[in-house]
Amino acid sequence: DAKTTQPPSMDCAEGRAANLPCNHSTISGNEYVYWYRQIHSQGPQYIIHGLKNNETNEMASLIITEDRKSSTLILPHATLRDTAVYYCIVLSGGYNKLIFGAGTRLAVHP
Amino acid sequence: SAVISQKPSRDICQRGTSLTIQCQVDSQVTMMFWYRQQPGQSLTLIATANQGSEATYESGFVIDKFPISRPNLTFSTLTVSNLSPEDSSIYLCSVEPRDGSEKLFFGSGTQLSVL
Repeated sequence: DAKTTQPPSMDCAEGRAANLPCNHSTISGNEYVYWYRQIHSQGPQYIIHGLKNNETNEMASLIITEDRKSSTLILPHATLRDTAVYYCIVLSGGYNKLIFGAGTRLAVHP
Repeated sequence: SAVISQKPSRDICQRGTSLTIQCQVDSQVTMMFWYRQQPGQSLTLIATANQGSEATYESGFVIDKFPISRPNLTFSTLTVSNLSPEDSSIYLCSVEPRDGSEKLFFGSGTQLSVL
């Protein structure tokens, strides 16, 4: 079973920041938080992952709370092409067997 | 990174037949995974394919229905046997590169429709 809880859907205006929350209250000390997204009719795409420190790359930022029970994926300037289903997944290090939950369907509108 | 070629991209099959899906990677990878995505649903892991050993199946999936081969470090096949309309789904291959990047790469999927 997925160990995360995400809102089923969110909306965001183009050019604004999209903040996607994820709850993972039962996360263990050695489990990472991963984010993937799936644009319609494509395979999932890796976005970012982290253990306890905040992370940033060219796609997004990941903010993990100090107690690690929740995190937020931030797309700083959402575009129409960011419309997708976003999956938050917790995963033990060293073995990448991803178990997908229902994800958040993000709709970016003009 | 890893570039994955998955074939066929789509197929329409008659019930009772089988379909074999191929996953070819442009570099050697450690783990290969097969997923199913039923219409409107999230991805469900079918099995993990290890080179040189039998695949490890998740609960609800059996080898007789979903035989998997992994003959080398760049290639795997998934066969969906004795097809029924309930097998109509997208099937996706995923790989973990050997570069220690700690991320998975996915193929573009095979859209299977069973009549």
